[in-house]
Amino acid sequence: AQSVTQLDSQVPVFEEAPVELRCNYSSSVSVYLFWYVQYPNQGLQLLLKYLSGSTLVESINGFEAEFNKSQTSFHLRKPSVHISDTAEYFCAVSDPLNSGGSNYKLTFGKGTLLTVNP
Amino acid sequence: SQTIHQWPATLVQPVGSPLSLECTVEGTSNPNLYWYRQAAGRGLQLLFYSVGIGQISSEVPQNLSASRPQDRQFILSSKKLLLSDSGFYLCAWSVGALYEQYFGPGTRLTVT
Repeated sequence: AQSVTQLDSQVPVFEEAPVELRCNYSSSVSVYLFWYVQYPNQGLQLLLKYLSGSTLVESINGFEAEFNKSQTSFHLRKPSVHISDTAEYFCAVSDPLNSGGSNYKLTFGKGTLLTVNP
Repeated sequence: SQTIHQWPATLVQPVGSPLSLECTVEGTSNPNLYWYRQAAGRGLQLLFYSVGIGQISSEVPQNLSASRPQDRQFILSSKKLLLSDSGFYLCAWSVGALYEQYFGPGTRLTVT
């Protein structure tokens, strides 16, 4: 089974500063990686995903993440954050539910609370 | 487009009472359905998943059960709630070749 480690439980930053949220996963032959964002008392929203191809993936609101196979990392970055980016961010890896690998579950990290201060 | 609903949004129940949380998905057929529980500082824990009507798999032994009476309906139940059942319960769906999952708005359960 896969595992995901989010190295920082809380990251406080000032508005317009850059931010990096770190994520490491256990190695596997094939890996599919995701970042989700959760605003208070809401469900999780898919922010971006890596399935294959380019190792740099981007979201529509300025976040990007880079898949690094050698370092088993999938860190999330944004060059300039806004107050509205304050939320909890979860890194996740897909994990086969059965030996046939036709169905998958998501294994999540414990989350990183990003707080953007004015 | 696909949407996922959960109700109720919040619930306060005494210890020993029964529980029923409902999740429905619209706009897709034969989805895989999932129940997760989120406890503070512990991320999300997969409780149950279902790949079809009447097909339920449990990831962890616990005081809860799940059922899928219809293709797009997933129900989480308990006969007698424990204090440790408190948490934020999230339903999710995926379909076909998609590896990602899409989540509902969640139910906040407080057991008193």
